[in-house]
Amino acid sequence: DAKTTQPPSMDCAEGRAANLPCNHSTISGNEYVYWYRQIHSQGPQYIIHGLKNNETNEMASLIITEDRKSSTLILPHATLRDTAVYYCIVREDYGGATNKLIFGTGTLLAVQP
Amino acid sequence: DVKVTQSSRYLVKRTGEKVFLECVQDMDHENMFWYRQDPGLGLRLIYFSYDVKMKEKGDIPEGYSVSREKKERFSLILESASTNQTSMYLCASSFRTGQTDTQYFGPGTRLTVL
Repeated sequence: DAKTTQPPSMDCAEGRAANLPCNHSTISGNEYVYWYRQIHSQGPQYIIHGLKNNETNEMASLIITEDRKSSTLILPHATLRDTAVYYCIVREDYGGATNKLIFGTGTLLAVQP
Repeated sequence: DVKVTQSSRYLVKRTGEKVFLECVQDMDHENMFWYRQDPGLGLRLIYFSYDVKMKEKGDIPEGYSVSREKKERFSLILESASTNQTSMYLCASSFRTGQTDTQYFGPGTRLTVL
């Protein structure tokens, strides 16, 4: 899997958009960008994934640059419940046990009231 | 809605006990995973199953075994619990669509072995 770089922590005011960056400069053509988050002492939660086009679902938007070397996860209206560690992962899905997820250190997003 | 459940959120066992951790998914997913998560070590894959009665070893299978008798249920067994197996255990399931295989996690079981 290609490596990703994320800032260790970010703050965001409640109700504002949270923009979480991720650098993945060595991403290859078949690798997808996935985002998960983990609230303290809970299991990771899938948020969104994409290949090259921007994606949006009910939780977030994913913006991938044209050269695919970086991406941004956008939480449009952050709430206190969005405080969590956010993990950006790039991977190619080969199947089998190679599908294991490898989490880096992630970004701790603290939403402030 | 996606649903993966684990039998216990917190569990305390004694060294040498046999421990069963159960995971159930209601999404008809073919793939199921057991990970453990420890501070500073991230997620580590213990075992993976791609079908009923089928399993593959992950990165750290020693001291663990698994059972998948039904598609929706994947059990992790600690044959003789040891203190170094104190950890957060996470179950996940996934279904392959096209080129992607998105994993959905349960809430986790925090196991303490005394």
